[in-house]
Amino acid sequence: DAKTTQPNSMESNEEEPVHLPCNHSTISGTDYIHWYRQLPSQGPEYVIHGLTSNVNNRMASLAIAEDRKSSTLILHRATLRDAAVYYCILRPPYNTDKLIFGTGTRLQVFP
Amino acid sequence: GAVVSQHPSWVICKSGTSVKIECRSLDFQATTMFWYRQFPKQSLMLMATSNEGSKATYEQGVEKDKFLINHASLTLSTLTVTSAHPEDSSFYICSATTSGGRETQYFGPGTRLLVL
Repeated sequence: DAKTTQPNSMESNEEEPVHLPCNHSTISGTDYIHWYRQLPSQGPEYVIHGLTSNVNNRMASLAIAEDRKSSTLILHRATLRDAAVYYCILRPPYNTDKLIFGTGTRLQVFP
Repeated sequence: GAVVSQHPSWVICKSGTSVKIECRSLDFQATTMFWYRQFPKQSLMLMATSNEGSKATYEQGVEKDKFLINHASLTLSTLTVTSAHPEDSSFYICSATTSGGRETQYFGPGTRLLVL
C-alpha cells in the first residue's frame, strides 16, 4: 500500500485558515486520496476525498498537486471544534475498502 | 447521514471473561463492516474485515480465535473478545460501508474496554 507522510502536529488560532499537508510520492494513478479526522475519544469521521481535481465540501477543501504526489486539506476558518487528528489515506481500487491509518496530524486550535 | 452505533460505549471486566461489542448501521445496509483497535496516543489499527454472511478476514497478527467476529445481518456485526486480559484493554471502533470500491466508511463512536 502506498504510504503517506504528514506532520505530527500543527497549531492554529481560531478563525484562521489551516493548511494540512500530506505527501504521497508513491501514489499510483488510480489511488483516491481520502481525509478523515478523529475528534478526542470518538470514532473517525469522513472529511473529503478526491482523485485529481480539487474538491470542496461544507467541511473543507482538498487541493491536489498536479503530479498527485502531495495534497493539502484546507480548513477555511478553524474553530475549536476542529481540534482533532487528521488522517490522509490512500485507497487503491483493488483494495477491498479497507482504510490503513497512518499517524496523522494532531491539530490544536487556540482561542 | 449514515449513522453507526456501538454498544456498549464502555465496559470494565475481569481478566478471563469474554466481552461482546455490537456494531449497528442504523439507517443503511452495510455490506462490509470493519473492526479497528486503538491504543492510547496511537493510530487506529485494522483488525478485521467482515462481510455479511461470510467469515471475517483478519489482518496479520490478529488472532481469530481471540477476537470472534460475526456479521449475521446487513445491519449488525459483533466482536467478541474471548478470555480478555489486561493487554486487550483498548478503544475498539467499528465502521461500515455500503459497497465495494471507493465508498465512504462510516465509523461508530467506539467502545472503551478495560480489563482488570
